[in-house]
Amino acid sequence: NAGVTQTPKFQVLKTGQSMTLQCAQDMNHEYMSWYRQDPGMGLRLIHYSVGAGITDQGEVPNGYNVSRSTTEDFPLRLLSAAPSQTSVYFCASSYSFSSGREQYFGPGTRLTVT
Amino acid sequence: DAKTTQPNSMESNEEEPVHLPCNHSTISGTDYIHWYRQLPSQGPEYVIHGLTSNVNNRMASLAIAEDRKSSTLILHRATLRDAAVYYCILRDVGAGGTSYGKLTFGQGTILTVHP
Repeated sequence: NAGVTQTPKFQVLKTGQSMTLQCAQDMNHEYMSWYRQDPGMGLRLIHYSVGAGITDQGEVPNGYNVSRSTTEDFPLRLLSAAPSQTSVYFCASSYSFSSGREQYFGPGTRLTVT
Repeated sequence: DAKTTQPNSMESNEEEPVHLPCNHSTISGTDYIHWYRQLPSQGPEYVIHGLTSNVNNRMASLAIAEDRKSSTLILHRATLRDAAVYYCILRDVGAGGTSYGKLTFGQGTILTVHP
């Protein structure tokens, strides 16, 4: 299994541009989520999905959209990039959202918005 | 999620055991204790989790105090690859809404392993 994959690894955007961060998993996991990690702030949950066709907001959803048309893929869209969205983005997946289940993280996308 | 307290940093020598402590005095009966680690420039990596009993897997052991107010992650023989930030996280079975599946990462313990 490849586990959780994310593309691109690095991205530089200008303010106002839009882009999609890709996330895929090959473990047939129902639960997928997106986090952002800023220096000194730990990881914060952006959006999550408990299955294909079902998504919901996390703690910091503003400026981001998600969709889940298949079990495998969970892309994160930045609608109009802002410097405050400069961060490292991690995608995670799990068999379920149950607190007794481990989660698997991708390698991250490092995004810089100028 | 209930709060956890970990030392900011710890050091170890290669091939020696490492005991990483975590205090969680406000833990509820339904909180699972999870450990994750994050190596430099990588995503968090699951290490181990448990509810009441001690747990072992290929990476580590988790020792849970009888009153569950503290736990210890044990790396039996540290290697240079184990240098990372280790996070102790409590997860409640009842968490929902914006907390569905959320892992709350605190500051963690920075583990340095010396050759």
